[in-house]
Amino acid sequence: QVTLKESGPGILQPSQTLSLTCTFSGFSLSTYGMGVGWIRQPSGKGLEWLANIWWDDDKYYNPSLKNRLTISKDTSNNQAFLKITNVDTADTATYYCARIIPHRFAYWGQGTLVTVSS
Amino acid sequence: EIVLTQSPTTIAASPGEKVTITCRASSSVSYMYWYQQKSGASPKLWIYDTSKLASGVPNRFSGSGSGTSYSLTINTMETEDAATYYCQQWSSTPLTFGSGTKLEIK
Repeated sequence: QVTLKESGPGILQPSQTLSLTCTFSGFSLSTYGMGVGWIRQPSGKGLEWLANIWWDDDKYYNPSLKNRLTISKDTSNNQAFLKITNVDTADTATYYCARIIPHRFAYWGQGTLVTVSS
Repeated sequence: EIVLTQSPTTIAASPGEKVTITCRASSSVSYMYWYQQKSGASPKLWIYDTSKLASGVPNRFSGSGSGTSYSLTINTMETEDAATYYCQQWSSTPLTFGSGTKLEIK
């Protein structure tokens, strides 16, 4: 059974760095073809893809967030991470991680709400 | 960036009615993916590779299309189908989603 669970700080202030963790089970990110992606959704709005990381450590980012994103993984502990630097109120959203089976977001976590507020 | 335009934005359908949601891409894509999201829940993969139903998806759903025009069809609407549906392309980065179609029960 595949499960994913996101965790984050809940609330942080503008200009801080957002650190998110995706803890998953039921698959391994060291398996050929596997990947994990991050997607966010502001309240009442649509979905925005942020970044993907693959079993071979290949990484892809949404250029709209310029150089603010860093995705990484810890294969031994079945975790993936996303950092977003210099956050502002526009980064307030529910953040999801999802297991990628090429090429689709096959399983999603429950999401973690992140609020950026001073 | 490939922009995906969904229509309609909102639709209300009666049980038993046929429903079609369309997704138009600003450039040609190889496949389209669809996700269902119910209120307060995370999205679920619903249709992949344009026309393949994800596990557990009722066969009253179907997907079709090619190039820049794709659609999701519900043959006979049921109350449990009320949700927001998003299309998504994986042909080029950045990966993009449509803005969603909210399907309501009439």
